Amino acid sequence: KNQVEQSPQSLIILEGKNCTLQCNYTVSPFSNLRWYKQDTGRGPVSLTIMTFSENTKSNGRYTATLDADTKQSSLHITASQLSDSASYICVVSQRGTDKLIFGTGTRLQVFP
Amino acid sequence: EPEVTQTPSHQVTQMGQEVILRCVPISNHLYFYWYRQILGQKVEFLVSFYNNEISEKSEIFDDQFSVERPDGSNFTLKIRSTKLEDSAMYFCASSEWASGYNEQFFGPGTRLTVL
Repeated sequence: KNQVEQSPQSLIILEGKNCTLQCNYTVSPFSNLRWYKQDTGRGPVSLTIMTFSENTKSNGRYTATLDADTKQSSLHITASQLSDSASYICVVSQRGTDKLIFGTGTRLQVFP
Repeated sequence: EPEVTQTPSHQVTQMGQEVILRCVPISNHLYFYWYRQILGQKVEFLVSFYNNEISEKSEIFDDQFSVERPDGSNFTLKIRSTKLEDSAMYFCASSEWASGYNEQFFGPGTRLTVL
């Protein structure tokens, strides 16, 4: 079954600290992997998109990694800010279909 | 910066009633999508739409659901006879090309509450 699993479910960190969120997927055939940020009550906003051949992609303080062999990805947030408080969702696109397969997300809270 | 907009932001309806959720995709985009997110659960794909027809739909998208692009700007999701379990956040998305590597831009969502 095509699934996307994320850990941890929730995370609390202090402002200025770094954190890493994990994603494992079993989607096949694989097309690409995306990380989205979703603020409470809002739509998801794309942070990064990576294909099979891309190992790392950065977007400001966000750096995503992808290991297509082990079907794992991570999202590293550097020097966290209060505005980083949100859910971070790992999303995998299956080759040959339109739909995106979403993970359950990691709820990140950044405190001062 | 162009964005996807959705109306209304919150819709309350009685079970059995019809609802229409509206979306205005980004103007040069050709592919449109509806997703839903039940409170506390994952976002789930409902349907994709291109060239005035459904290109793909999930098992959730049964005969109670329909989509339409009534004019050059709006994209609608109709639920014919709402059920309690239809209560969810509904997100519209659009992309310039087919999903593939292309980014899907999401709207802010419509919260549907079925009483």
